[in-house]
Amino acid sequence: GAVVSQHPSRVICKSGTSVKIECRSLDFQATTMFWYRQFPKQSLMLMATSNEGSKATYEQGVEKDKFLINHASLTLSTLTVTSAHPEDSSFYICSAGAGTGNEQFFGPGTRLTVL
Amino acid sequence: DAKTTQPPSMDCAEGRAANLPCNHSTISGNEYVYWYRQIHSQGPQYIIHGLKNNETNEMASLIITEDRKSSTLILPHATLRDTAVYYCIVSYRGGSNYKLTFGKGTLLTVNP
Repeated sequence: GAVVSQHPSRVICKSGTSVKIECRSLDFQATTMFWYRQFPKQSLMLMATSNEGSKATYEQGVEKDKFLINHASLTLSTLTVTSAHPEDSSFYICSAGAGTGNEQFFGPGTRLTVL
Repeated sequence: DAKTTQPPSMDCAEGRAANLPCNHSTISGNEYVYWYRQIHSQGPQYIIHGLKNNETNEMASLIITEDRKSSTLILPHATLRDTAVYYCIVSYRGGSNYKLTFGKGTLLTVNP
């Protein structure tokens, strides 16, 4: 149990385009989902926390208008990188929590390359 | 969240126990100790967590000192597939203090 999927696993896009990444909890309902970013040889950095049906809470320094997060259901959250630029190239990872506990279950990640 | 200190890297022979230390001297009474690991180019994997008592599951054991200022993750019989970066994180359980703050972790290399 506790499986989280992400789609796509890898995406290459041109500068200026928008990219949507989906995160799904496959066998449980996720009241809270998290989005992280990881640059090469660095640790995960939390970008934002989203609760189903409400606006996401962004970490300091993360542009909410650039990284649009939607958590429309208990099993799906999406991250849209708008007007992507090469510096947005990174490994984007989502995680899902299933309630009052703090065990987060992570997706496999999406590698974004912006040319 | 309280900060943690881990050695940057460790080596372990295949089949032997891997003991990964973590210092969290500023942990508060309501904070749990969580361990995750990340195999290269994959999402992190939850391993185990605990508050005060030692914990064991099918993956590992967690030993927390009585003063809770440090802990050790034990992989009883390390295999090559256990090579990964291991993260020790302290965090509140549930509520608004729900974040996991990842440090640099320990790169465990299991050698044949």
